[in-house]
Amino acid sequence: GQQVMQIPQYQHVQEGEDFTTYCNSSTTLSNIQWYKQRPGGHPVFLIQLVKSGEVKKQKRLTFQFGEAKKNSSLHITATQTTDVGTYFCAGRSSNTGKLIFGQGTTLQVKP
Amino acid sequence: NAGVTQTPKFQVLKTGQSMTLQCAQDMNHEYMSWYRQDPGMGLRLIHYSVGAGITDQGEVPNGYNVSRSTTEDFPLRLLSAAPSQTSVYFCASSAMNTEAFFGQGTRLTVV
Repeated sequence: GQQVMQIPQYQHVQEGEDFTTYCNSSTTLSNIQWYKQRPGGHPVFLIQLVKSGEVKKQKRLTFQFGEAKKNSSLHITATQTTDVGTYFCAGRSSNTGKLIFGQGTTLQVKP
Repeated sequence: NAGVTQTPKFQVLKTGQSMTLQCAQDMNHEYMSWYRQDPGMGLRLIHYSVGAGITDQGEVPNGYNVSRSTTEDFPLRLLSAAPSQTSVYFCASSAMNTEAFFGQGTRLTVV
């Protein structure tokens, strides 16, 4: 079945350092979504990528979708303490429509 | 709009008891799903539905039942609770191929 792998599982950075999390799917995806979950909260949608090779930016966050539509990345420039949380990628199957999440990357930022 | 309403927020069950986690959305979304979240495991899909009267299994369906008699409601039933079902459960809804909206979560402990 469809699997979505995400690395690393944890990342500790000093405030101001950059951060990247990577996502790989075992199957081609119709789209990929990214979510952020603050400690004790629920996942909140950040962005959706649909096109092969697509790059989108939200302030200090840059999202990429691979050419083969099987991998994606989230890069945060100059992290801040407000970036703390767990970042999930989620792949939507074009066949079934189900949304499969990666294991998530938990980001800790030291001030 | 209330979005996705999930109840209860906390529940303690004894092994062998049954219960139903409620989920309701008022956004007329076709797609609804249940996930469980365990440390280091990310969000794992239990069951999902692409419309009223249609349900299908996700990654970890054993021990859980669902039904979708209306567009708005998607309850999750634990048939005979086991300690391995101790987890945080999230309900989510979306229009097809768009962002998912999550409920606040149910923290379930089975003793």
